[in-house]
Amino acid sequence: SQQGEEDPQALSIQEGENATMNCSYKTSINNLQWYRQNSGRGLVHLILIRSNEREKHSGRLRVTLDTSKKSSSLLITASRAADTASYFCATGDSGNTPLVFGKGTRLSVIA
Amino acid sequence: ETGVTQTPRHLVMGMTNKKSLKCEQHLGHNAMYWYKQSAKKPLELMFVYNFKEQTENNSVPSRFSPECPNSSHLFLHLHTLQPEDSALYLCASSHLGQTNTEAFFGQGTRLTVV
Repeated sequence: SQQGEEDPQALSIQEGENATMNCSYKTSINNLQWYRQNSGRGLVHLILIRSNEREKHSGRLRVTLDTSKKSSSLLITASRAADTASYFCATGDSGNTPLVFGKGTRLSVIA
Repeated sequence: ETGVTQTPRHLVMGMTNKKSLKCEQHLGHNAMYWYKQSAKKPLELMFVYNFKEQTENNSVPSRFSPECPNSSHLFLHLHTLQPEDSALYLCASSHLGQTNTEAFFGQGTRLTVV
């Protein structure tokens, strides 16, 4: 199984600031995905970036992928208090094995 | 609403009790999963079912017993649990065998073993 490792473990910022979270992984991948989890709830898929893509946008989210460094970053611009949550990365291979998640980054956005 | 429904949302059980967690998906996915999430630990994959067949069991103690009667329903039967089994149990589903596919999660069952 492949595992994403998020960094930092916790991040606290003021509303309106940008938040950047990083993910590193160990093996080759087909895609990398980011998920969000509100406290005590299930994970919600945010964005998927394929291994042949370098950057992807979705609203205030920007994801980059550097396969040579086996790393990805998630940038949330103009953060809001409602962005407070844990964020997880997960890597996908050919689709025949389930996603494996890291410990996540806990983001706190202070109003 | 992700299309994956878990019940109950909260469960408190004694160590001698027997209870079951239920998960249902109507997304047409062929794979369903149980994950365990404890405080300050990564999400742990417990079981994988692909077309109702169990394809993965990650060294989970026998006090956890999964059941998948069809590709839309998944159960986790619990008996003689320990306090350290208290955690958030998450069910997910996806299209296994399809590249670039995402997982859909239920809202979880918060289990407390007393």
